[in-house]
Amino acid sequence: NAGVMQNPRHLVRRRGQEARLRCSPMKGHSHVYWYRQLPEEGLKFMVYLQKENIIDESGMPKERFSAEFPKEGPSILRIQQVVRGDSAAYFCASSPQFAGNTEAFFGQGTRLTVV
Amino acid sequence: ILNVEQSPQSLHVQEGDSTNFTCSFPSSNFYALHWYRWETAKSPEALFVMTLNGDEKKKGRISATLNTKEGYSYLYIKGSQPEDSATYLCAFIRSTGNQFYFGTGTSLTVIP
Repeated sequence: NAGVMQNPRHLVRRRGQEARLRCSPMKGHSHVYWYRQLPEEGLKFMVYLQKENIIDESGMPKERFSAEFPKEGPSILRIQQVVRGDSAAYFCASSPQFAGNTEAFFGQGTRLTVV
Repeated sequence: ILNVEQSPQSLHVQEGDSTNFTCSFPSSNFYALHWYRWETAKSPEALFVMTLNGDEKKKGRISATLNTKEGYSYLYIKGSQPEDSATYLCAFIRSTGNQFYFGTGTSLTVIP
């Protein structure tokens, strides 16, 4: 049973380009969470999704950021028109049910660098 | 702004020493408290999920306690080993939302 897979592991984008980050949850997991870690800061919640539904996106910037978790395929975090301040590590986690009362399993993250 | 505080920020101990660190969180609207271990270049790995006041959980040499009324959890490591070197994160989940609020972690280095 493979763990949570994130790709790419490293992504370099020029200012103004789009960044697409992918997260394949563990088999049987229908809940996905995205977190961002800015330099010298802790993990910050961005969005919580279940298959085809956004449950809570209160941690996601209102503009340029979007997330989806389609019925088939990985969850995608999309950042349009990237700026230098978007440079960070983006982690996703998955769980079989709401991860408040069960373990969440993390991927190894995608490190986005905006040049 | 909801604050989850961890102390100390970093810790160096000798192999064989026992150690403990603290996670402080709001005492209202408690739902759960998670502990994670995060080794460099790896993914955070869940250690404990704690939901009840007074919970005590143990996994090998690592144990944790929970006090939801006063808003703190302790993580203990008995007889530290070099392989325990990692950052230990706690995450607070409140009953009124879905977010995990992470602390900034305690970085533990165990010196052989």
